[in-house]
Amino acid sequence: GENVEQHPSTLSVQEGDSAVIKCTYSDSASNYFPWYKQELGKGPQLIIDIRSNVGEKKDQRIAVTLNKTAKHFSLHITETQPEDSAVYFCAAILMDSSYKLIFGSGTRLLVRP
Amino acid sequence: GAGVSQTPSNKVTEKGKYVELRCDPISGHTALYWYRQSLGQGPEFLIYFQGTGAADDSGLPNDRFFAVRPEGSVSTLKIQRTERGDSAVYLCASSLGTGQSNSPLHFGNGTRLTVT
Repeated sequence: GENVEQHPSTLSVQEGDSAVIKCTYSDSASNYFPWYKQELGKGPQLIIDIRSNVGEKKDQRIAVTLNKTAKHFSLHITETQPEDSAVYFCAAILMDSSYKLIFGSGTRLLVRP
Repeated sequence: GAGVSQTPSNKVTEKGKYVELRCDPISGHTALYWYRQSLGQGPEFLIYFQGTGAADDSGLPNDRFFAVRPEGSVSTLKIQRTERGDSAVYLCASSLGTGQSNSPLHFGNGTRLTVT
């Protein structure tokens, strides 16, 4: 089955700097890769996703890149703000054939003012 | 609009007791999922409903865990003879349909279960 590894487990950046979180997956058949943001005491919230037929997707300060050959995908947050501080999870799934999102172990991002 | 609602938000119970956790999905969402999140970990799949039926319960850890969705909307996760290892946040999610095609999972805020 699918296995997703996520790095780093914690990340501290200065406000305004960029943050990058990386994930690798094991099942080459996986074709949908969402990223979730989880704030303390709340459920995961989808912030961006990418399908395997594209290499990059942007939404304002957030971007995700996918390297299918290497089975890597990354989340990029530019111009970080204190409200970006949260735990971020990557996930992978074989879309349309499965409903079991496989999550990484999470990255705790701290943006220092 | 209203999101996925889970009650209670916190539940403390003694070892050996029975608990029920409730999930109200987003109106119109036919697919419902239960995940469990241990401290410092990502959510892990427990069970998936499409309509009233449990399409896949392979993530349930043992037969002490059971979930129902009798009318295809509200779901209840039931845990018998609770153990301290059951302590975790139980997350419910819903989506418009099967798979992830244009229908991402929307999570509730979870129920934090503590077994003493």
